[in-house]
Amino acid sequence: EIVLAQSPGTLSLSPGERATLSCRASQSVSSNYLAWYQHKPGQAPRLLIYDVSRRATGIPDRFSGSGSGTDFTLTISRLEPEDFAVYYCQQFGSLPSWTFGQGTKVEIK
Amino acid sequence: EEQLVESGGGLVPPGGSLRLSCAVSGFSVSTTYMAWVRQAPGKGLQCVSVLLTSGVTYYAGSVKGRSTISRDTSKNTVYLQMSGLRPEDTAVYYCAREGSAEGAFDLWGQGTMLTVAS
Repeated sequence: EIVLAQSPGTLSLSPGERATLSCRASQSVSSNYLAWYQHKPGQAPRLLIYDVSRRATGIPDRFSGSGSGTDFTLTISRLEPEDFAVYYCQQFGSLPSWTFGQGTKVEIK
Repeated sequence: EEQLVESGGGLVPPGGSLRLSCAVSGFSVSTTYMAWVRQAPGKGLQCVSVLLTSGVTYYAGSVKGRSTISRDTSKNTVYLQMSGLRPEDTAVYYCAREGSAEGAFDLWGQGTMLTVAS
């Protein structure tokens, strides 16, 4: 089973700054099935990015995804107050299997 | 409007059983993959079970043999039957859909809390 390692664990930034979140897979992610979610306390997780770089419906273009193979990145170009949350990467693989990273918390500095 | 509404959580003693429900509106449960994803207190997300359109099921190792995912198309509802519950099953359980975004969950419910304690 593929293991996803996210870094850093916590990112302390100010509104308006750029956030760069990393997700590294223990093996190559098949067919670029790599997604990113935003999760706030007491709310349902929200799909941001799928297929590495495709934005989900209604997601603003300040969110972008990139990468291939085992290394993937979520970038938030300019942090808005509502962007402070926990972010998870997730992959879909053979067997089938769906696995999540441990999360990166983006907090207000 | 497409919506998922979970129910059935609560306080259950170790070794007990319960059934979680996910009522679906706005689309048919038989046309998409449906999943249960949980978040234990202070932990991240874990996909525990997925039901494919073909009827094939997937279970995480931690719940395999103790859980059964199913659907009732007449009620447009997905279920997760859990038995032999352990304290480590304590979590918020979310229902999720793998829809147009292949390999990803594009619609989620608000979750239902399951606490396993004596």
